[in-house]
Amino acid sequence: ETGVTQTPRHLVMGMTNKKSLKCEQHLGHNAMYWYKQSAKKPLELMFVYSLEERVENNSVPSRFSPECPNSSHLFLHLHTLQPEDSALYLCASSSSRGAYEQYFGPGTRLTVT
Amino acid sequence: DQQVKQNSPSLSVQEGRISILNCDYTNSMFDYFLWYKKYPAEGPTFLISISSIKDKNEDGRFTVFLNKSAKHLSLHIVPSQPGDSAVYFCAARGYGGSQGNLIFGKGTKLSVKP
Repeated sequence: ETGVTQTPRHLVMGMTNKKSLKCEQHLGHNAMYWYKQSAKKPLELMFVYSLEERVENNSVPSRFSPECPNSSHLFLHLHTLQPEDSALYLCASSSSRGAYEQYFGPGTRLTVT
Repeated sequence: DQQVKQNSPSLSVQEGRISILNCDYTNSMFDYFLWYKKYPAEGPTFLISISSIKDKNEDGRFTVFLNKSAKHLSLHIVPSQPGDSAVYFCAARGYGGSQGNLIFGKGTKLSVKP
């Protein structure tokens, strides 16, 4: 595998479910990001991790819980989501926090029913 | 309020002609401006950047122009090719408290017709 991979690519979950999104980067980068893209809205930055430490949480509800066990892996744990959380969730990485060239995964299309 | 705005949701251009994608921003403290390109079912990929101290950057068929007084940047693609059909996102890199964070526009869908 090369670049940034995300699994699953599609996810449908009920509001009472718990699920996790996984991201893996094979680029040796030190910073990783979660973004949310809703219909007709810009990409919104959710979380930033630098050297496995969370350095930014952009006022994201607690029903979204990120985890970064090492510099190559990033998870987004989901629980008791709302229908308005349905969106494309994109993971990205960069060589360091602040590097403007970010490498994105293909995203997970999440539908909350 | 959006700090980075792409007011045209779509643009259609004939193959071989010039494509011009526009972007406006409100924060004069951004230090870099970027363009990303996204194909369906793929993540965005970095295309070209420009520093806030420059007014032009060129890379092959792609040129980005920055007008700081107007807080406006544009991406020119010459000549346009059908493979350029994609969604183009303008982004700006934050400075100071949001150092390193990218702020994206909503995107413009470019269709290049053969």
